[in-house]
Amino acid sequence: AQSVTQLGSHVSVSEGALVLLRCNYSSSVPPYLFWYVQYPNQGLQLLLKYTSAATLVKGINGFEAEFKKSETSFHLTKPSAHMSDAAEYFCAVSDTSGTYKYIFGTGTRLKVLA
Amino acid sequence: EAQVTQNPRYLITVTGKKLTVTCSQNMNHEYMSWYRQDPGLGLRQIYYSMNVEVTDKGDVPEGYKVSRKEKRNFPLILESPSPNQTSLYFCASSSRMGSDTQYFGPGTRLTVL
Repeated sequence: AQSVTQLGSHVSVSEGALVLLRCNYSSSVPPYLFWYVQYPNQGLQLLLKYTSAATLVKGINGFEAEFKKSETSFHLTKPSAHMSDAAEYFCAVSDTSGTYKYIFGTGTRLKVLA
Repeated sequence: EAQVTQNPRYLITVTGKKLTVTCSQNMNHEYMSWYRQDPGLGLRQIYYSMNVEVTDKGDVPEGYKVSRKEKRNFPLILESPSPNQTSLYFCASSSRMGSDTQYFGPGTRLTVL
C-alpha cells in the first residue's frame, strides 16, 4: 500500500526565511502528488499538484514543489516566509495501484516567528 | 458560488445514538469522499464514491456507512457512535479521481460522550 511521510510535525521559521516542508512517498509508479494547506478552523485548500508534467510545480502564495523520482520526494518550499503562511500543511497522493483512494501525510504545522 | 457544504458543523452526542452528517456539492463532481482528521494522524479516508451508487471503503471504514443516491449528496452515517469516533470530519469532492483537485467542506466537529 502506498504511504506518505512528512518529516517534522512542527516547523518554525523566522519571517523572511526559507520555508522547506518535506514529503516522501512510497510507490514504484509515480503517483499524482498534492500539497494542501489548512488555516485555523478551516477546511483544506490546494496549494499545488504534480500530475506528470513539469517536475517543478508552482502554486499559490509563492509556494513551489519539486518532484524527484529518484528520491521519491515532493518537498514544498517558499523563498521568504510571511506571517500569513502560518498553517498546517498536508502532502497527499492519489493511489495509482488500482484503487481510488487518497493517502494523506500526518501534516506539518508551520509557525512563522516575527 | 462553487462549494461543498456540510451539516451540522458541530455536534455533541451520546454513545449509541444514530446520527447522519450531510455533505452536498454544487459542482457536478463525480468523486466524493469522507475523511476524519485526528491530531498526529493527519487525514484518513473513511469512504469514497466514484459516482452515483458506487462507493468503496477507504482506510478507516469501521463504524461508518455512506450512500450516494444523488450525484450532489454523500451523507455519512454513524449507526452506533462510540467515543473513539470523536473527531473532525471533512467531506471533499472532485471532478474525477486521480489528478483532479479535491474541494473540501468546512468540517464537522463531532464529540461522542
